[in-house]
Amino acid sequence: QKEVEQNSGPLSVPEGAIASLNCTYSDRGSQSFFWYRQYSGKSPELIMSIYSNGDKEDGRFTAQLNKASQYVSLLIRDSQPSDSATYLCAVNSRAAGNKLTFGGGTRVLVKP
Amino acid sequence: GAVVSQHPSWVICKSGTSVKIECRSLDFQATTMFWYRQFPKQSLMLMATSNEGSKATYEQGVEKDKFLINHASLTLSTLTVTSAHPEDSSFYICSARAGSYSGNTIYFGEGSWLTVV
Repeated sequence: QKEVEQNSGPLSVPEGAIASLNCTYSDRGSQSFFWYRQYSGKSPELIMSIYSNGDKEDGRFTAQLNKASQYVSLLIRDSQPSDSATYLCAVNSRAAGNKLTFGGGTRVLVKP
Repeated sequence: GAVVSQHPSWVICKSGTSVKIECRSLDFQATTMFWYRQFPKQSLMLMATSNEGSKATYEQGVEKDKFLINHASLTLSTLTVTSAHPEDSSFYICSARAGSYSGNTIYFGEGSWLTVV
């Protein structure tokens, strides 16, 4: 089992719709959770961080964390073509020496 | 947000030569920096963790004598690819961890494209 798992996609979403991305992790001791967006050929860009159970909203993005079920999700509302990218889920675990472990990423395509 | 600068953005070198990539945290002190490598259409692969003032910790399978890491100050870490070969051609990305006041968030540099010919 991979430490952080994501569906590779592509997730095809019509413009204006909601994109829903999921991520599961194996280390119950994980403390911090992040979503990064990576455009092709570019470095990852931090979108959201979440540390406690529940929802966290920032603009069109909402991160949801459920530690009991060991999953974290990202919702993108009113999806725009510029949101087309690969979204990386990352988990920071003390047990892993505070290293950031990445999922394989979910490729999102927003179609006009 | 915090800024991490990486230089150069891209470099082409001859096989057998060495290349140095710099990673700087511009507006915060980073006791820990990380170096990743990413091949096309693949995920980020952690190469090593760089700690200021001490030796880097390398991931399994990464040759420490080939990928030299120096974290000389709280704002600078360097990665030197020694005796580069074409198979070392990749996208190298550094990241730096901000302090607990920022939730220990990790910020990425812009990345460096290395092409070995």
